[in-house]
Amino acid sequence: AQSVAQPEDQVNVAEGNPLTVKCTYSVSGNPYLFWYVQYPNRGLQFLLKYITGDNLVKGSYGFEAEFNKSQTSFHLKKPSALVSDSALYFCAVRDIYGQNFVFGPGTRLSVLP
Amino acid sequence: NAGVTQTPKFQVLKTGQSMTLQCAQDMNHNSMYWYRQDPGMGLRLIYYSASEGTTDKGEVPNGYNVSRLNKREFSLRLESAAPSQTSVYFCASSVGTEYQETQYFGPGTRLLVL
Repeated sequence: AQSVAQPEDQVNVAEGNPLTVKCTYSVSGNPYLFWYVQYPNRGLQFLLKYITGDNLVKGSYGFEAEFNKSQTSFHLKKPSALVSDSALYFCAVRDIYGQNFVFGPGTRLSVLP
Repeated sequence: NAGVTQTPKFQVLKTGQSMTLQCAQDMNHNSMYWYRQDPGMGLRLIYYSASEGTTDKGEVPNGYNVSRLNKREFSLRLESAAPSQTSVYFCASSVGTEYQETQYFGPGTRLLVL
């Protein structure tokens, strides 16, 4: 069975500092990994995905994520955080056998001015 | 393009009442999904429709029914609402159900069952 863990409920970072939001996963085959962001009272917006190829994936709004197969992780990163990055971030996984996504519980990112 | 739209935005029901949540997409996607979002639990799949004319159960289908009315529209019905169905409901769509496909989400419907 597929599963996703986001070990931190909340991440606080100062504006201008680098940020990392962690995600680990468990799937039976090759993983296909996604990051979504949710702003208050809004739906989820797609940020980036890893399907195959380079382990470093670049996405929207300056975000990137690093796929690490040995550690079964797909951490979301940004070199310099903005206050406007404050939101709820979801990691999701799908395997080649699964019809649908499994979402993690979400991590709330607060970027402090 | 409006993307994925949902109506209503907010609804209050009494226990036992019924209602239908509407979802439409204008991206010519084949697949559509209904999720519920509860604090600390991420999103959980209720039902999905891989293509027009088909529907399948997801992780938490009990108490819900769906209808894929046409390629654009996918509705979710609560026949007899219960307080446990208080949640935020999201509709999503994707080109297909292949593993690499991205899902695109609507703005959500916030439902309160008293």
